[in-house]
Amino acid sequence: AQTVTQSQPEMSVQEAETVTLSCTYDTSESDYYLFWYKQPPSRQMILVIRQEAYKQQNATENRFSVNFQKAAKSFSLKISDSQLGDAAMYFCARDNAGNMLTFGGGTRLMVKP
Amino acid sequence: DTGVSQDPRHKITKRGQNVTFRCDPISEHNRLYWYRQTLGQGPEFLTYFQNEAQLEKSRLLSDRFSAERPKGSFSTLEIQRTEQGDSAMYLCASSLGGTGTRYGYTFGSGTRLTVV
Repeated sequence: AQTVTQSQPEMSVQEAETVTLSCTYDTSESDYYLFWYKQPPSRQMILVIRQEAYKQQNATENRFSVNFQKAAKSFSLKISDSQLGDAAMYFCARDNAGNMLTFGGGTRLMVKP
Repeated sequence: DTGVSQDPRHKITKRGQNVTFRCDPISEHNRLYWYRQTLGQGPEFLTYFQNEAQLEKSRLLSDRFSAERPKGSFSTLEIQRTEQGDSAMYLCASSLGGTGTRYGYTFGSGTRLTVV
C-alpha cells in the first residue's frame, strides 16, 4: 500500500519561533502533488500549502514553506514566526493519480505563548 | 457561495439503525469526495464522484454503505445497519477537477457519527 507517514504525533513551539513538521511518503508515480492541511479543533480542514512534484522549487505561502526532497520522498513543512492561531492538527497528503488523497496520521502542533 | 455544507453536524444513533448524511458542494465544483476520519487519525478515502458518476470506491466502503450524487449536485451517504465501528467523522470535500487544481479540495466541517 502506498502510504504517507508523519513520525511526530505532537510538536510544541514557542510563539514567534520556527517549527518543522516532517512527512515521508511512498509513490510509484513520477508526477504527483503533495499537500499540507491544517485542521483546528472542531473546525474544517483547510489547505496550507501545495507542492507539484515536477517543480524543483519549494513552495512558499507567507510564513509557511516546504522542504521537498523528491529522491528521499520527504516533504516537511516549516512554520516561521509561529502564532497562537497556528495551533492545530497538521496533515500531510499525497494525491493518487490526480484523484483522491492519501493522508498521514497527523501531527498535533501546540504553540506556547 | 458559503463553501461545502454538511448536514447534520452531529448524529447519535443506536446500533442497527440506518443513517443518511448530506453534502452540498461548492456549486461550480464537479468533483465530490467522501472521507472518514476516526479520532486522532488522518482522513481515509471512501468514494468520489465526478458530476453524477461515482468513479471510485474504497474497500472501506462495505456493502452497508451507499453514496449517491443525483444530478451532479448534492450528495448523500447512507449507512445501513450501523455498527459501533462506524463511529467517526464523515468529511465531504469538493473540487473543480482533480487534485492538481490550484486550490485542491475544499472540505466541509464534517458530520460526527456516534453509534451507541
